[in-house]
Amino acid sequence: RKEVEQDPGPFNVPEGATVAFNCTYSNSASQSFFWYRQDCRKEPKLLMSVYSSGNEDGRFTAQLNRASQYISLLIRDSKLSDSATYLCVVITGTASKLTFGTGTRLQVTL
Amino acid sequence: DAEITQSPRHKITETGRQVTLACHQTWNHNNMFWYRQDLGHGLRLIHYSYGVQDTNKGEVSDGYSVSRSNTEDLPLTLESAASSQTSVYFCASSDGDSLNAEAFFGQGTRLTVV
Repeated sequence: RKEVEQDPGPFNVPEGATVAFNCTYSNSASQSFFWYRQDCRKEPKLLMSVYSSGNEDGRFTAQLNRASQYISLLIRDSKLSDSATYLCVVITGTASKLTFGTGTRLQVTL
Repeated sequence: DAEITQSPRHKITETGRQVTLACHQTWNHNNMFWYRQDLGHGLRLIHYSYGVQDTNKGEVSDGYSVSRSNTEDLPLTLESAASSQTSVYFCASSDGDSLNAEAFFGQGTRLTVV
């Protein structure tokens, strides 16, 4: 079983739609969680950290469910510019190395 | 502004040759990482370092080596390039003092082994 799993998509949604991605992780000792965004052929960039109580940044909301070992990302009012691959990232233990999911591709259309 | 740079951006090499990919960061970060990204696999960790003279193997380290002689640089060496090592390579760095620290990535090196 992969340490971090994501539905690869693609998710094709119209502009203005709400879309949600889930990501599951296998190690219950995982302690830090993030969503990164990667545009085609570019480097990944941090979108947002995921906190236990859930957190929001504008149109983006991240949630953590430790009992079920998954994190989620909700995007409201999708924009064309949201089209990208969204990477779920987990840090486990005292090491700082990031473990990535394979990413979920989002395509927002007119 | 602080940054992390990789060179070269593109490289074509022949099977069996030794290749070194450079990674240089000016964030003064202790942590540095090398990943490869392939379709269907996402980013997989090759090697990482938590500071000068420290190196550790990641999940796909066979055929690769790194050295950390200073804080700024973590070069990745392919000892004898193989076609299976054709990939996009990303270097990253992060602040070692916090598990919630953001990781910053270089722009990537596209390596083709022919």
